[in-house]
Amino acid sequence: AQTVTQSQPEMSVQEAETVTLSCTYDTSESNYYLFWYKQPPSRQMILVIRQEAYKQQNATENRFSVNFQKAAKSFSLKISDSQLGDTAMYFCAPLSGAGSYQLTFGKGTKLSVIP
Amino acid sequence: ETGVTQSPTHLIKTRGQQVTLRCSSQSGHNTVSWYQQALGQGPQFIFQYYREEENGRGNFPPRFSGLQFPNYSSELNVNALELDDSALYLCASSLGAGSSYEQYFGPGTRLTVT
Repeated sequence: AQTVTQSQPEMSVQEAETVTLSCTYDTSESNYYLFWYKQPPSRQMILVIRQEAYKQQNATENRFSVNFQKAAKSFSLKISDSQLGDTAMYFCAPLSGAGSYQLTFGKGTKLSVIP
Repeated sequence: ETGVTQSPTHLIKTRGQQVTLRCSSQSGHNTVSWYQQALGQGPQFIFQYYREEENGRGNFPPRFSGLQFPNYSSELNVNALELDDSALYLCASSLGAGSSYEQYFGPGTRLTVT
């Protein structure tokens, strides 16, 4: 079974600054995908960014980028130029499994962007 | 393009009752996964349906069951409700059941069991 650890239960960042959210995971699989989702107070889970484990290049999506270290099983999310709308719970989730590909979520990091 | 929708938004049930939650997948998606999110926790995988067949199950008892219909919409049924079943239930749809397919979530159904 996979496990996901997000060691920062809560973080805050000033508007326009940069923040990095940490995630480590444990998997025995060699090929898998990793995702970051955000869940605003409205509660709808929104996909932020994805990374394919067999790709060495770190994924980037506008202000969001990841630092993926496969050997260390680390997958951190960097948010640049933080905006008030980035305030949300952020979940790291590997997607893997044999046949049924399920997301395994960490407990999340609550990010607050301060004006 | 219509996103994933869920109904109802909120539901209050009594212990021992049964409940049915519904999910309409995004257009073109044939796979639906259900997750339970307890307060202050990350979602936990319940089960997945692919082309009307159960395609994997998490660590949930048999009183959690589901269906997927020919139009790929889905139901989650929970029998003999317990207080610990109180949670946000999320469904997510994807283009397929493989590892490369991103899952898109609905807004969830908040179930309260009293």
